[in-house]
Amino acid sequence: DSGVTQTPKHLITATGQRVTLRCSPRSGDLSVYWYQQSLDQGLQFLIQYYNGEERAKGNILERFSAQQFPDLHSELNLSSLELGDSALYFCASSGQGADQPQHFGDGTRLSIL
Amino acid sequence: AQKITQTQPGMFVQEKEAVTLDCTYDTSDQSYGLFWYKQPSSGEMIFLIYQGSYDEQNATEGRYSLNFQKARKSANLVISASQLGDSAMYFCAMREGVRTSYGKLTFGQGTILTVHP
Repeated sequence: DSGVTQTPKHLITATGQRVTLRCSPRSGDLSVYWYQQSLDQGLQFLIQYYNGEERAKGNILERFSAQQFPDLHSELNLSSLELGDSALYFCASSGQGADQPQHFGDGTRLSIL
Repeated sequence: AQKITQTQPGMFVQEKEAVTLDCTYDTSDQSYGLFWYKQPSSGEMIFLIYQGSYDEQNATEGRYSLNFQKARKSANLVISASQLGDSAMYFCAMREGVRTSYGKLTFGQGTILTVHP
């Protein structure tokens, strides 16, 4: 158990819809990262938050947005969903220090029908 | 430009033998970190081992060790005494820079390891 909690584990929805993925980081971790894993793109970094502020952005579509709340949990919002958005979405958290590994949640598997 | 390269799409090993999974990287930073993760068929990502660019000794964690050759920009994972439960996808990843607030990981494409009994 990594200590990072992601909900829901599975999500099935239709094109054009909007979904929210939720992540609770490990206790004490201030950094939260979102990654997308798909067969064609592999593991891609989407966005990072540190103590409530956005710190880095990767290959995140404009239809996607995220935020980190005062209690440090984070949400990833995906809107106007397309078939190509089907993927495994991971949240990870890490502690202070460059040598601290990122601990991943079990992921949310999103299927667009 | 691809920064992490794992050239072995798949590897096979006999149970109880050692196996090396290759990883090469590219960066202009002097300070960086290298990580290996395991992803079983169930999908979760499990952290295995870390090597810092300034670490003089190769990292070890139980049956996992990292063969770090800085001049060659390689960070190969060695798994000793393979077990059936080691069958999984293995990812090499790099974090550039020292700022803790900028810590995204760049992943390789992964290597599928199959352990035969």
